[in-house]
Amino acid sequence: ILNVEQSPQSLHVQEGDSTNFTCSFPSSNFYALHWYRWETAKSPEALFVMTLNGDEKKKGRISATLNTKEGYSYLYIKGSQPEDSATYLCASPNSGGYQKVTFGTGTKLQVIP
Amino acid sequence: DTEVTQTPKHLVMGMTNKKSLKCEQHMGHRAMYWYKQKAKKPPELMFVYSYEKLSINESVPSRFSPECPNSSLLNLHLHALQPEDSALYLCASSSGTGNQPQHFGDGTRLSIL
Repeated sequence: ILNVEQSPQSLHVQEGDSTNFTCSFPSSNFYALHWYRWETAKSPEALFVMTLNGDEKKKGRISATLNTKEGYSYLYIKGSQPEDSATYLCASPNSGGYQKVTFGTGTKLQVIP
Repeated sequence: DTEVTQTPKHLVMGMTNKKSLKCEQHMGHRAMYWYKQKAKKPPELMFVYSYEKLSINESVPSRFSPECPNSSLLNLHLHALQPEDSALYLCASSSGTGNQPQHFGDGTRLSIL
């Protein structure tokens, strides 16, 4: 069973501040790492899928890095805006077959105007 | 707008009722999923269908009965549920490989009286 952990559980930042949070996962038998953003009353939305060690992906002000050898990924948000307020989930597939995905508990971000 | 449609959005039912949750996707995805999500917890996998066949059942009680009538539809039949089954039920679909993200519906908020 995969154990995917995220920290911190929750975070409050001022508008304009940059922030980051962590996802850790077992480094053995790694296949891929997913990041999702889940806004209240909406469905989780995929941000990134990362597969290669050293991968870095960017989408607007949000970026993510991946270290498969040590089993962690960072998500960065530059110049946080109120619309970035959401729960950010990371998830790791157990295999490449049926994509049985284990989710972390999420980091709940609140951006204060 | 989400590409995975779930109905109903909200459902209140008694412990003796029979009801069904419905999920539909038209992205040609071969894998479809049911998740259960309780407050402050990550989504918890219940069932996975691949090519319309049940491939994973995460030891879910038989009062939950999944059905995949065709490649676009996924149902979850509910009977004799317990109050602890009250949760958000999320449907998702994907290409079925771990290097592609899952696409989620908005969920059905289920309350058992």
